[in-house]
Amino acid sequence: ETGVTQTPRHLVMGMTNKKSLKCEQHLGHNAMYWYKQSAKKPLELMFVYNFKEQTENNSVPSRFSPECPNSSHLFLHLHTLQPEDSALYLCASSQVGQGGRNEQYFGPGTRLTVT
Amino acid sequence: EDQVTQSPEALRLQEGESSSLNCSYTVSGLRGLFWYRQDPGKGPEFLFTLYSAGEEKEKERLKATLTKKESFLHITAPKPEDSATYLCAVQERGTSYDKVIFGPGTSLSVIP
Repeated sequence: ETGVTQTPRHLVMGMTNKKSLKCEQHLGHNAMYWYKQSAKKPLELMFVYNFKEQTENNSVPSRFSPECPNSSHLFLHLHTLQPEDSALYLCASSQVGQGGRNEQYFGPGTRLTVT
Repeated sequence: EDQVTQSPEALRLQEGESSSLNCSYTVSGLRGLFWYRQDPGKGPEFLFTLYSAGEEKEKERLKATLTKKESFLHITAPKPEDSATYLCAVQERGTSYDKVIFGPGTSLSVIP
């Protein structure tokens, strides 16, 4: 595997379900990100993990819960979602800090539909 | 409020018809400006990073330039496979290294 991978690629879930999105980066980066992309809207940053510590949480509802067990893996745990949470969820990674180029590399995304 | 805007929102070009996309930003100091290409239903693909005014980067039919308040993505003799949404993102100096602000994108369609 190369780059940034995400699973599953598509997910349909009911509002009472619990599911998790998985992201893995094979680039040796030290920061990982979750973004939400809805139709006709800019990318919305949800969470940032820098050296495995969460450094950003942009007022995301508690029904989204991130987990970063190590610098290569990132999860987004979902529970009791709303239909308006339907979107493309993108994971990215980058090398930040001194010497880092800070360019973010994205995975293919998970298309989430909440019914 | 820091902001990144892109224009036009959508652009249709005939194959071979060159044009430019604009990205304007309002941050107090720029650490880096990034261009990405995104195909429908896929994640953005990194294209360029620009760090200082006057800098230029090229890749095939694309050339990115940077001034103090905006960046242009010039597309020379585009082909249908250049059709995609082009995103601009800005990293502000003085903020954490991992904070990037994305613009809304320009949807480019190249007609054969």
